[in-house]
Amino acid sequence: DPKIIQKPKYLVAVTGSEKILICEQYLGHNAMYWYRQSAKKPLEFMFSYSYQKLMDNQTASSRFQPQSSKKNHLDLQITALKPDDSATYFCASSHRTANTEVFFGKGTRLTVV
Amino acid sequence: GEKVEQHESTLSVREGDSAVINCTYTDTASSYFPWYKQEAGKSLHFVIDIRSNVDRKQSQRLIVLLDKKAKRFSLHITATQPEDSAIYFCAAISGSFNKLTFGAGTRLAVCP
Repeated sequence: DPKIIQKPKYLVAVTGSEKILICEQYLGHNAMYWYRQSAKKPLEFMFSYSYQKLMDNQTASSRFQPQSSKKNHLDLQITALKPDDSATYFCASSHRTANTEVFFGKGTRLTVV
Repeated sequence: GEKVEQHESTLSVREGDSAVINCTYTDTASSYFPWYKQEAGKSLHFVIDIRSNVDRKQSQRLIVLLDKKAKRFSLHITATQPEDSAIYFCAAISGSFNKLTFGAGTRLAVCP
């Protein structure tokens, strides 16, 4: 019974288009994150949110915009998609934002053609 | 910023033997070191962690050692089983906001 739900599981997009990756967590956590895993780079941190506020942003491009409509939601909007954006995007959450176990969703595998 | 190096990219052991995966980190302020397991095509599954106030932690067949002076930590899997085969990632957290910096991963194969 997954507690962090990511939709869709797989996504194919055309270069230049825009997509939204959905994430909801039912762990009662206050902090949520996005990470990216690609063939070229190890797992890398993108964003952290706490109580729906952006706490840290390590993504250089403004094409990546997190959106938090509710405390347990953190969607990721990606605009002007490029083939280099192809990766698996993992949503994660934790109870607090310091030195505590981080739980990961199953990921959305994005392919940009 | 923090950098985590995972020394073994692949590791092959015989079933029943021990496996050791080593990681080093750069930020002396890092205080939390989790390990994750990722099976083929699946997400990351937390396996064990260690905080900087201790130098050893054990959970069943898993042992984590932390050497703060050397900025090194390691995962020991004892009495390995075929189901231990997966990619293992070490990580470190420094500063606030629970930002995990991951190593590149170690692909562990446990052979019968």
